[in-house]
Amino acid sequence: DQQVKQNSPSLSVQEGRISILNCDYTNSMFDYFLWYKKYPAEGPTFLISISSIKDKNEDGRFTVFLNKSAKHLSLHIVPSQPGDSAVYFCAASAHHCTGTASKLTFGTGTRLQVTL
Amino acid sequence: AAGVIQSPRHLIKEKRETATLKCYPIPRHDTVYWYQQGPGQDPQFLISFYEKMQSDKGSIPDRFSAQQFSDYHSELNMSSLELGDSALYFCASSLFRVSEAFFGQGTRLTVV
Repeated sequence: DQQVKQNSPSLSVQEGRISILNCDYTNSMFDYFLWYKKYPAEGPTFLISISSIKDKNEDGRFTVFLNKSAKHLSLHIVPSQPGDSAVYFCAASAHHCTGTASKLTFGTGTRLQVTL
Repeated sequence: AAGVIQSPRHLIKEKRETATLKCYPIPRHDTVYWYQQGPGQDPQFLISFYEKMQSDKGSIPDRFSAQQFSDYHSELNMSSLELGDSALYFCASSLFRVSEAFFGQGTRLTVV
């Protein structure tokens, strides 16, 4: 049962344009969402995150939007650059009643290709 | 800044052998996670530890075991290796109550 889904396995965007990567989740207990960027044979690199008490978080060229009612989040990259070409994973976690963060549950990833 | 260190980076083992993967978290991080990523797949959670105690368990086979030591480093022990165990194994660390986990470069295990 895939609790975090990225329905687009790949996305191609021209340099300078906006890249929008989407993610849907089913578990209403998730209260924290993260985006990771991954190059082949390397570990995922943390990009940006958002708590469920917010609907938007921005960091430079990266903005994450959260729509809790739709259980949907998206990552916007603007302007897109060739160096952004990688696989992007959406991840979600919940906090235990003790306050500790639970494991990250990953989506299946979206391969972004930024073309010249 | 110090990152998560995993060793070895590459490992080749034969079927039915054992392997031990090591993970050294970012200094002061007290939580360690292990993930397995097969070819073309998303990372699958195996197990996690907080303050040397197992905190979460995922799809870790019974042939695998792990522990976190007093210096917070962790080891994943894999026995009776099978061809299907060939994958990238990632370790991540985080601070208590913080969801942002930082990943190591991974260990590529190849079972032949």
